[in-house]
Amino acid sequence: DAKTTQPPSMDCAEGRAANLPCNHSTISGNEYVYWYRQIHSQGPQYIIHGLKNNETNEMASLIITEDRKSSTLILPHATLRDTAVYYCIVSWRTSYDKVIFGPGTSLSVIP
Amino acid sequence: GAVVSQHPSRVICKSGTSVKIECRSLDFQATTMFWYRQFPKKSLMLMATSNEGSKATYEQGVEKDKFLINHASLTLSTLTVTSAHPEDSSFYICSARDLRGLANPNEQFFGPGTRLTVL
Repeated sequence: DAKTTQPPSMDCAEGRAANLPCNHSTISGNEYVYWYRQIHSQGPQYIIHGLKNNETNEMASLIITEDRKSSTLILPHATLRDTAVYYCIVSWRTSYDKVIFGPGTSLSVIP
Repeated sequence: GAVVSQHPSRVICKSGTSVKIECRSLDFQATTMFWYRQFPKKSLMLMATSNEGSKATYEQGVEKDKFLINHASLTLSTLTVTSAHPEDSSFYICSARDLRGLANPNEQFFGPGTRLTVL
């Protein structure tokens, strides 16, 4: 079973920040939080990951609460091409650990 | 960046035939590959974990005799759907882990998927 819970769907106005929440209250100390997204009929795409600290890359920012029980993915200026299903995943950082997908959040960016 | 390819991207077959789907890591070596299935408007469901040179580990409820997985090299894993039926019609996606995993943040790379339609 997935170890995370996310809202099933969200809307965001184009150009605005999209804030996607994720709860992972049973996360263990060595597990990372990963975010992937899947645009319709394509394979998932890695976005960002983190352990404790907030992280930022060219795609997004990841804010992890101090107790690590929840996180928020931020797309600072959403575009229509960001419309996708976003998956928050908790996983060990090894080559052998499997990734279990939950239902994710379907983000619709509206013009 | 690391690239995973799948072939074919789409396949239509008759009921009762077998279909082979290939998953290749193009510019890195993958000790472990994963196979997922995705039905319309549903999330990805992990089918099996494939380790190079050993038997695949199947998730509960996945028939290993129906979904044959071979991972003969560090860059190739194949999924064969045997005696396919219409209910096997789905989007099949593979992913691969880089052997360098611990040093590479983008540790799991996904293929573009294969759309299987069984008539």
